[in-house]
Amino acid sequence: RKEVEQDPGPFNVPEGATVAFNCTYSNSASQSFFWYRQDCRKEPKLLMSVYSSGNEDGRFTAQLNRASQYISLLIRDSKLSDSATYLCVVSMFSGGYNKLIFGAGTRLAVHP
Amino acid sequence: DAGVTQSPTHLIKTRGQQVTLRCSPKSGHDTVSWYQQALGQGPQFIFQYYEEEERQRGNFPDRFSGHQFPNYSSELNVNALLLGDSALYLCASSLYEGSYEQYFGPGTRLTVT
Repeated sequence: RKEVEQDPGPFNVPEGATVAFNCTYSNSASQSFFWYRQDCRKEPKLLMSVYSSGNEDGRFTAQLNRASQYISLLIRDSKLSDSATYLCVVSMFSGGYNKLIFGAGTRLAVHP
Repeated sequence: DAGVTQSPTHLIKTRGQQVTLRCSPKSGHDTVSWYQQALGQGPQFIFQYYEEEERQRGNFPDRFSGHQFPNYSSELNVNALLLGDSALYLCASSLYEGSYEQYFGPGTRLTVT
């Protein structure tokens, strides 16, 4: 079983739609959680951290359920510029070192 | 303030050859991590360097080795290249070794033929 699993995608949605991505992680010792965005042939960039209380950044809302080991990302009012791959990431802290574990990513295509 | 830089941008090598990739961390960062991203996959952790030492390593064979220099820049070396080594190699730097916030460079796209 993969350490971080995501919806396979791709998600093809019209502008203005609301889209949700899900992610599960296998290691209950995971300590920090993130969503990264990766444009085609570019490097990943941090979109937002994810907290148990849930957090919102404009049109983006992230949720964490530690009991279910589940992370979600909701995008409201999708824009063409939201088209990208969204990577679910968990951080493992051990022995003073931090390691990021990435999911395979979910591709989003927003069309006019 | 320069971000993370990597060189070269693209590289084509033949099976069995050796390759060296280079990374300069973001200004003020002293920790460098390397990742391999195969097509259609998320980045996979290779190893992390701090104070010129390999601090932790992912599930990669010994053909993958690295180095960190006193100026915090880093190299990734891959020996005896295999077709399966074709991927985007990403370098990420962080402010300190325990920091979860990592900044990625643009990557080096390696093609092995």
